[in-house]
Amino acid sequence: DTAVSQTPKYLVTQMGNDKSIKCEQNLGHDTMYWYKQDSKKFLKIMFSYNNKELIINETVPNRFSPKSPDKAHLNLHINSLELGDSAVYFCASGNLWATSNTGELFFGEGSRLTVL
Amino acid sequence: DAKTTQPTSMDCAEGRAANLPCNHSTISGNEYVYWYRQIHSQGPQYIIHGLKNNETNEMASLIITEDRKSSTLILPHATLRDTAVYYCIVRVEYGQNFVFGPGTRLSVLP
Repeated sequence: DTAVSQTPKYLVTQMGNDKSIKCEQNLGHDTMYWYKQDSKKFLKIMFSYNNKELIINETVPNRFSPKSPDKAHLNLHINSLELGDSAVYFCASGNLWATSNTGELFFGEGSRLTVL
Repeated sequence: DAKTTQPTSMDCAEGRAANLPCNHSTISGNEYVYWYRQIHSQGPQYIIHGLKNNETNEMASLIITEDRKSSTLILPHATLRDTAVYYCIVRVEYGQNFVFGPGTRLSVLP
């Protein structure tokens, strides 16, 4: 079973459309993340949720809205897509507040978004 | 969280040890050093982490200097599959902010 799974893996869409990327983790972790990796390969944190509560909200356009229906899921909805949104989006999870944790993050395989 | 600096790229011969350095001169006492790697366009993969003692696991060894201002990740017998971008990250205990820098692109050559 995949520990952190994202869907879809590939997404091609037109400018102005609205799209969502879903993420699920079956590791029982308390914290989930969205990262964006652009064409220059920089991996930037976007959001972090702990037990469904938003903890980290980096400077990201408000067209990006994360939603965490439960602590195993963190979805990313993007409104009015722009060319610059083209990137690979990675979901990650970790058990960061457990006393015995290693602080290790587990990443999904990424969702490649192409905006035309 | 303290910042890290790493060389942009390194080469290593297959079968030899790969030694990847990282500077974190502003590290605080409660900040850990983490290493991750990203093979091609896959999701980053955890390798190892430490606070002040040297650490070893099945993937690598982590050597942290006594003043904790720098560290070295050692892949003892590099293989072609170790070709990847290696990220050194400093994170406070229980901190949520994993900040990835540009990393070091390691090329293992046959």
